[in-house]
Amino acid sequence: ETGVTQTPRHLVMGMTNKKSLKCEQHLGHNAMYWYKQSAKKPLELMFVYNFKEQTENNSVPSRFSPECPNSSHLFLHLHTLQPEDSALYLCASSQGAGGYSGELFFGEGSRLTVL
Amino acid sequence: DQQVKQNSPSLSVQEGRISILNCDYTNSMFDYFLWYKKYPAEGPTFLISISSIKDKNEDGRFTVFLNKSAKHLSLHIVPSQPGDSAVYFCAARTNYGGSQGNLIFGKGTKLSVKP
Repeated sequence: ETGVTQTPRHLVMGMTNKKSLKCEQHLGHNAMYWYKQSAKKPLELMFVYNFKEQTENNSVPSRFSPECPNSSHLFLHLHTLQPEDSALYLCASSQGAGGYSGELFFGEGSRLTVL
Repeated sequence: DQQVKQNSPSLSVQEGRISILNCDYTNSMFDYFLWYKKYPAEGPTFLISISSIKDKNEDGRFTVFLNKSAKHLSLHIVPSQPGDSAVYFCAARTNYGGSQGNLIFGKGTKLSVKP
């Protein structure tokens, strides 16, 4: 198993659909993150969980709802999204918030297209 | 306003020569600076980091230089290889306020190493 696994890799959904992105890490880390990468923009931090507790919500619209049932799993529930939400959603994990020296381990990402 | 800036969206270098990727930042409270490499259809992978109390860190062909007075860091790759062709992201770790340990990314620089 690779370190951080994201499913699905690709997702196409309509604006009225409800879907979820899943992330699983096999590294024994205790912090997990959701980042958004839009075209020609920097990676934007969305949410941070440390020991299953949300420690950061970077002003993300409520149509994105994270869930962290344990330190190894992280979900991003999506509902009534907009076309501008189309992006690559990246999950990451680290040992402690921010990692030992900032090092995060990323998954391969879930490419989301909202029609 | 972007706190981490990579002003060159792309860079092309001949194999065997030096690649220099640049990054500027605005916040003097960052405690670590990192470089990540990203291939298409993969998540970013950690490359090298430097503490804000250092001015140089070297790992094989990769060296990162930090100039705190200029709020500037650079990544040197010597010698460059075709396999180095990827998007390189500069990132800085916050160490203040309620966002301790979060990474702020630049937009990335696409490096192409020609054989």
